[in-house]
Amino acid sequence: EAAVTQSPRNKVAVTGGKVTLSCNQTNNHNNMYWYRQDTGHGLRLIHYSYGAGSTEKGDIPDGYKASRPSQENFSLILELATPSQTSVYFCASGEPQKDTQYFGPGTRLLVL
Amino acid sequence: GEQVEQLPSILRVQEGSSASINCTYENSASNYFPWYKQEPGENPKLIIDIRSNMERKQTQGLIVLLDKKAKRFSLHITDTQPGDSAMYFCAAQSSNTNKVVFGTGTRLQVLP
Repeated sequence: EAAVTQSPRNKVAVTGGKVTLSCNQTNNHNNMYWYRQDTGHGLRLIHYSYGAGSTEKGDIPDGYKASRPSQENFSLILELATPSQTSVYFCASGEPQKDTQYFGPGTRLLVL
Repeated sequence: GEQVEQLPSILRVQEGSSASINCTYENSASNYFPWYKQEPGENPKLIIDIRSNMERKQTQGLIVLLDKKAKRFSLHITDTQPGDSAMYFCAAQSSNTNKVVFGTGTRLQVLP
């Protein structure tokens, strides 16, 4: 089974602070994704990537940046965290044309 | 548009009965429709999927139906068990962007 790990698993941040969420996958998947999950909204796509060096805006990119320095790593960056960014964040990876996405365990972020 | 609507948001059924979840999508370029199950505190996991060249797929007590004309697809769980209690998400993936759009989820409760 695909292995996708996320760190940290839990994070408390202050408003205006910088937060970096990290994701690592060991399956050599080209595509990686960042979602946030909120009650009543399901999973919403923030940023995604087709491979090292590429980042694309998802459906709700405002307030977030992404970085894909290598095939294995995909980071989500909140330069100025706000309480509205309190959520559970999931990273996922997958292969184009194979469609199935494998999710990491999630990061619970609380912005005070 | 790329919205995916999922109903109902909460579904309670008696153990042993069947449960049905319905989704509709907007993007006519969607060609892949996965279903994910999420246990409390866990990440979403793929349970079954269907591609646009099929109308019906069945595996281990799960049936998915796809009506491309109506842009509608559904999950049917036969002979529900307490272990089926979870959140279920439908999704639709576009053939031209690789983006996956998720429904807002259905909380299934199987009552003893």
